[in-house]
Amino acid sequence: AQTVTQSQPEMSVQEAETVTLSCTYDTSESDYYLFWYKQPPSRQMILVIRQEAYKQQNATENRFSVNFQKAAKSFSLKISDSQLGDAAMYFCAYRSYTGNQFYFGTGTSLTVIP
Amino acid sequence: DADVTQTPRNRITKTGKRIMLECSQTKGHDRMYWYRQDPGLGLRLIYYSFDVKDINKGEISDGYSVSRQAQAKFSLSLESAIPNQTALYFCATSDTQQERKTQYFGPGTRLLVL
Repeated sequence: AQTVTQSQPEMSVQEAETVTLSCTYDTSESDYYLFWYKQPPSRQMILVIRQEAYKQQNATENRFSVNFQKAAKSFSLKISDSQLGDAAMYFCAYRSYTGNQFYFGTGTSLTVIP
Repeated sequence: DADVTQTPRNRITKTGKRIMLECSQTKGHDRMYWYRQDPGLGLRLIYYSFDVKDINKGEISDGYSVSRQAQAKFSLSLESAIPNQTALYFCATSDTQQERKTQYFGPGTRLLVL
């Protein structure tokens, strides 16, 4: 089974600053999908951003962007101009192109300091 | 209206009791999943189903059973609840034909087993 590692259990950032959350994964496949999900205190899992491994261009969604390094098997999330509403648990997830399951990391708890 | 709903949202039960958690979706997706979330462990897959006649065990299926009553309904049962099944449970859906293979989550059910 693939493994997804988030080595930062907790992170904090000043409001309006930029923060980067790390994620690495282990796979022998060449085609796959990567995701970042956000879980605010409401506990709802919300898709933040996704990346197809065959695309070299890093995905962006407004203030959220990724740094996808396929050779290094790294998929970090950058949040620019951090807002109080960004405070949440963030999960990195992997899905193979033809596989049946998603694999999640253990999460990073992000605190935004006013 | 939410696309993926879960009932109940919160449940307290006693050791040995049988309980059922229900999930319904209006997204028209064929695939449905049950996860549990524990602090520090992320999300772990319990069962998944690709259609009404297809049920598959996930990483941690012991002590659980599922039923796919219809394409839109997927229920999770704890036949004899035990305290270490106290967790947050999520239902999720995805679609085989969906271009980007994203999973969409319900709001979660918080279960406490005394």
